[in-house]
Amino acid sequence: KAGVTQTPRYLIKTRGQQVTLSCSPISGHRSVSWYQQTPGQGLQFLFEYFSETQRNKGNFPGRFSGRQFSNSRSEMNVSTLELGDSALYLCASSLTGSQPQHFGDGTRLSIL
Amino acid sequence: GEDVEQSLFLSVREGDSSVINCTYTDSSSTYLYWYKQEPGAGLQLLTYIFSNMDMKQDQRLTVLLNKKDKHLSLRIADTQTGDSAIYFCAESSDYGNNRLAFGKGNQVVVIP
Repeated sequence: KAGVTQTPRYLIKTRGQQVTLSCSPISGHRSVSWYQQTPGQGLQFLFEYFSETQRNKGNFPGRFSGRQFSNSRSEMNVSTLELGDSALYLCASSLTGSQPQHFGDGTRLSIL
Repeated sequence: GEDVEQSLFLSVREGDSSVINCTYTDSSSTYLYWYKQEPGAGLQLLTYIFSNMDMKQDQRLTVLLNKKDKHLSLRIADTQTGDSAIYFCAESSDYGNNRLAFGKGNQVVVIP
């Protein structure tokens, strides 16, 4: 069974640009969550999608948004990029709520 | 609110046992998790324990949960060089909530 797939693995952008990251969950998983990992703040929850609806949201500005498609694949968008957005963005999927989450290898975003 | 504390660094000799500790504050936690992160990779789910359990054993891994003290530990028996990684504990509160709160991680270095 394929794991969680995130694309691209690496991305370099400049300040002010926008970026879209993609996540394909494990087959059959309906919940997709996104996390940001930085050396200073550690792992922080961004949002969770279930059945194409945002179910939970963390404390991030509105520049961070996401969506989920009918096949459970999810995308995350960050607009007006700032230097502080440089991070490893991790996607996790689970069958439903309160099930163990399985993570992808992440997308490493660097802002110049 | 959720707050998860971990110590930062542990070195252990190959073949010895490792014990990693974690404390959490949210008494409504439902599941508690241990994840492993190797350099350049995402998070690998190692094991998890439901909050009504005291102990769970899975091959070389033993998880102990002390709900009174809100203390979680992971014991790795016969530690191998491949166990060198950062270990994160995480909690989820509220059934149906996929929002994980992570500790800062504990780096384990296995000395051959």
